[in-house]
Amino acid sequence: NAGVTQTPKFQVLKTGQSMTLQCAQDMNHNSMYWYRQDPGMGLRLIYYSASEGTTDKGEVPNGYNVSRLNKREFSLRLESAAPSQTSVYFCASSDRTTGNEQFFGPGTRLTVL
Amino acid sequence: DAKTTQPPSMDCAEGRAANLPCNHSTISGNEYVYWYRQIHSQGPQYIIHGLKNNETNEMASLIITEDRKSSTLILPHATLRDTAVYYCIVRVGGSNYKLTFGKGTLLTVNP
Repeated sequence: NAGVTQTPKFQVLKTGQSMTLQCAQDMNHNSMYWYRQDPGMGLRLIYYSASEGTTDKGEVPNGYNVSRLNKREFSLRLESAAPSQTSVYFCASSDRTTGNEQFFGPGTRLTVL
Repeated sequence: DAKTTQPPSMDCAEGRAANLPCNHSTISGNEYVYWYRQIHSQGPQYIIHGLKNNETNEMASLIITEDRKSSTLILPHATLRDTAVYYCIVRVGGSNYKLTFGKGTLLTVNP
């Protein structure tokens, strides 16, 4: 099992460019999440998907859109990147039956110039 | 979800027990205490969680006070690889699995 995978690992964008961060999990989990982590800070929830076909806003959703493509995949899109979106982005997944822990991916390091 | 308070940093000697405190004085009866850690630049890793009783697993022990207003995560024999930021998180159970991370405690294990 690969667990939670994220692509790309690193990305540099110019202000105004768009991009999609990809996340996939092979643990058959129902719930998936996107977090961002700024330097010296804890993680903040951007969006989450409690189950396939549903998505909800987290603490900091502005400037982002998400798509739960299927049970395995949950993508995060930046339509018009801004320097304030420079951060490390983590995807995570969890399941109702185990319910107790979120499994995190390795992160995507995004710089917006 | 209840707010938590943790010291920003702690040191521990290798081989000794590391005791990481967390204050959650406003915790509600249906809220669990979770601990995660984040080793430099990696994604967070689940450690342990509990509601009322003390818990132990292969990684750590969790001691929750009787009034549930504070807890301590214990790493019994800290190693250099345990150097990480440790997050104490309080949240309700049920189907809402969102986690709210604070700044955590940077534990440095010294040789």
